[in-house]
Amino acid sequence: QQQVKQSPQSLIVQKGGISIINCAYENTAFDYFPWYQQFPGKGPALLIAIRPDVSEKKEGRFTISFNKSAKQFSLHIMDSQPGDSATYFCAASWGDSNYQLIWGAGTKLIIKP
Amino acid sequence: GAGVSQSPSNKVTEKGKDVELRCDPISGHTALYWYRQSLGQGLEFLIYFQGNSAPDKSGLPSDRFSAERTGGSVSTLTIQRTQQEDSAVYLCASSFAYGYTFGSGTRLTVV
Repeated sequence: QQQVKQSPQSLIVQKGGISIINCAYENTAFDYFPWYQQFPGKGPALLIAIRPDVSEKKEGRFTISFNKSAKQFSLHIMDSQPGDSATYFCAASWGDSNYQLIWGAGTKLIIKP
Repeated sequence: GAGVSQSPSNKVTEKGKDVELRCDPISGHTALYWYRQSLGQGLEFLIYFQGNSAPDKSGLPSDRFSAERTGGSVSTLTIQRTQQEDSAVYLCASSFAYGYTFGSGTRLTVV
């Protein structure tokens, strides 16, 4: 199974709150799980990525949590700010596929001031 | 260059006309991808070039769409006989291994 299933489709969070976006996959060969952030009028940009040998990776207010047994990974945005309002895409790839990314459907995040 | 460059940034064309969209990838990136993104939607894969291998054209929606990559660098996406449903943002990305770098896209409007 090549799909990556992302939820929710849209999310509204109050400023200062925690935003959580989830993704699930089936292919156990996946070995790279990035999150991309897209602002209106721009292309997606790499935000943070994780390999399956660790359960968590943190960069500033952004954290990826990875559950290998459940085949799920999630993005947590702590102390969410209005500037975090964007569309977020999860993805997955593996080396034998020439690193082609399989994309989630995207989550539109709105942070209310 | 420092990033992926796409041109034009905006294109308005009349229904039935042909259009060419250009992508300049990051130097040294062997893989190049084209995606289409309709308003508020996700990333629709169109075509993938990897080095000197035959391109993966499995995402092209019709035979009106074609793409080429010259010298392993610049790529052109051509849409013939444009239709209103072709209106979207066309994104190009390049990569060398894990992770893609995207351009800002070409917004195509067919009137």
